[in-house]
Amino acid sequence: EAGVTQFPSHSVIEKGQTVTLRCDPISGHDNLYWYRRVMGKEIKFLLHFVKESKQDESGMPNNRFLAERTGGTYSTLKVQPAELEDSGVYFCASSLATSGRAGRTDTQYFGPGTRLTVL
Amino acid sequence: EDQVTQSPEALRLQEGESSSLNCSYTVSGLRGLFWYRQDPGKGPEFLFTLYSAGEEKEKERLKATLTKKESFLHITAPKPEDSATYLCAVQSRAGTALIFGKGTTLSVSS
Repeated sequence: EAGVTQFPSHSVIEKGQTVTLRCDPISGHDNLYWYRRVMGKEIKFLLHFVKESKQDESGMPNNRFLAERTGGTYSTLKVQPAELEDSGVYFCASSLATSGRAGRTDTQYFGPGTRLTVL
Repeated sequence: EDQVTQSPEALRLQEGESSSLNCSYTVSGLRGLFWYRQDPGKGPEFLFTLYSAGEEKEKERLKATLTKKESFLHITAPKPEDSATYLCAVQSRAGTALIFGKGTTLSVSS
């Protein structure tokens, strides 16, 4: 079974430019998450899709970030315009369901990440 | 505020020297506590989920335990291939986001 894939693996752009990151979840996983790790800090949640709907976008830093998941399959995260503080590693994760048995939760499987450098 | 603190930040062990990593957490209603392993340049790789105090899970040389305030990842007779960053994360009943600690970077030398 193929895991979560992300493209590109690295992106270097200048401040003010636009970048689009892509995530392909594990086939059949309705839940898709975006996380980010900036240097020296912990991985932080950005948002959560259930199929094509945004379930929780409380972690999105500002309106320069736009996430979409058309058709409930792959997702894109666009940063426009990029700022220096947007540099970091962006991870995508997917899970089969948000809750299975009462009180339980499905595992979130992570992709390899996209390293974004804004100069 | 939900929070996860991992210690130590870095740990160096000799091959075969057992030790434990700590994950202290505060969360408003724990849905699950997760351990991941991360190798350089890769994404977090799932190891364990723990749901309630007293629960334990094992996988090869790793054993995870959970209390109401912390979790331990015990590494028995580690090998160089166990070198990685180990991440702890919690999920509250209020949401689905994982709240991560900064991780413990383990180096095992032969």
